[in-house]
Amino acid sequence: QVHLVESGGGVVQPGRSLRLSCAASYFISTNFAIHWVRQAPGKGLEWVSVISYDGNIEEYAHSVKGRFTISRDNSKNTVYLQMNSLRGEDTAVYYCARGNRSFDPWGQGTLVIVSS
Amino acid sequence: DIQMTQSPSSLSASVGDRVTITCRTGQGIGRDVAWYQQKPGQAPKRLFYAASTLQNGVPSRFSGSGSGTEFTLTISSLQPEDFATYYCLEYYSYPYTFGQGTNLEIK
Repeated sequence: QVHLVESGGGVVQPGRSLRLSCAASYFISTNFAIHWVRQAPGKGLEWVSVISYDGNIEEYAHSVKGRFTISRDNSKNTVYLQMNSLRGEDTAVYYCARGNRSFDPWGQGTLVIVSS
Repeated sequence: DIQMTQSPSSLSASVGDRVTITCRTGQGIGRDVAWYQQKPGQAPKRLFYAASTLQNGVPSRFSGSGSGTEFTLTISSLQPEDFATYYCLEYYSYPYTFGQGTNLEIK
């Protein structure tokens, strides 16, 4: 069974960058896209980004387009989310999840706090 | 972009009750809806995809229905472990959109 683990979260100042990783305990390149979803403290879920199994297709939420970049290294079974120009409203738990349409399973999440 | 309007935002019910949560969209999206359950401190878990296809391991007291612009999640007889927050997700087109969530509480 696929097990996803996010890492790379932490406290970062506004305007700075952070890179999140999503590592799979199984071959993620087996025809599955990987999504990032975030949840601000006490708030609902927000879809952030997706990358296709081969990395050829990327999509982003309007709120992060131009600041966030998703990528993957199938040889390492890992997907990355490069987050630049971070803002306070990017503070959230970031989850990765596997799926070509809807997605499941999800990782446990990594917390990003953007604060000076 | 597709907007998902989920209702109610909160719901108070008792063990054994039947409850229904609804999501509506402004345009037809076929059956491209999933439902998720999230408990405090945990990642969401998928209950349904394609509007009504039950995820493996999900109890049969859960049911999903709908197509086009209106979708429902029904729990036929609430159990203590069902008290959680529920979200719908449309995956008809990018950017995907979640509903605002329904917080199901014990009465």
